[in-house]
Amino acid sequence: NAGVTQTPKFQVLKTGQSMTLQCAQDMNHNSMYWYRQDPGMGLRLIYYSASEGTTDKGEVPNGYNVSRLNKREFSLRLESAAPSQTSVYFCASSEMTSSDTQYFGPGTRLTVL
Amino acid sequence: GQQLNQSPQSMFIQEGEDVSMNCTSSSIFNTWLWYKQDPGEGPVLLIALYKAGELTSNGRLTAQFGITRKDSFLNISASIPSDVGIYFCAGHTGNQFYFGTGTSLTVIP
Repeated sequence: NAGVTQTPKFQVLKTGQSMTLQCAQDMNHNSMYWYRQDPGMGLRLIYYSASEGTTDKGEVPNGYNVSRLNKREFSLRLESAAPSQTSVYFCASSEMTSSDTQYFGPGTRLTVL
Repeated sequence: GQQLNQSPQSMFIQEGEDVSMNCTSSSIFNTWLWYKQDPGEGPVLLIALYKAGELTSNGRLTAQFGITRKDSFLNISASIPSDVGIYFCAGHTGNQFYFGTGTSLTVIP
């Protein structure tokens, strides 16, 4: 039981490049989330998926797209990376969006040059 | 987005001292949560609070859900070196979680 896993752990991109961050959970949770963490700003929600087949915007969705591939997997795509997207990205899951506890992955550290 | 103000931003304490940090919001939350984040890792849930006025303990950690539902505090008693990390408060309402900016704790042996 690995919980929430994320790949890659580190990534360096040039401005304008695209990439997809992968997230998977093995807890049979319905809801999954993508956050970004910047110094002094806490965690901010990018997108979430309440259940398989649905996605919704969070607080900072611009420049990102998501895909809920199946119940286990939720990916985050940067179509044209910008330096402002340099951040640490965390995926999380919870039983439902109304659940009070989330479980986080270890994070992906992304640098955009 | 909803703003959670967490204080202090950082703390440097001697091993064995007690620690207190708090979180305030302009909005009401149904649930307050406290997480700890170790360097290079994701946040891990420490305590969840569900009712206004609730006081909950988890070992040396004690947290309270404020009466107004707009604030919460976390106390750590008799700190030890492994308490080092960043502590985040979070409020849950509707479908979303909102996080504070974190309190960085350094424990000096």
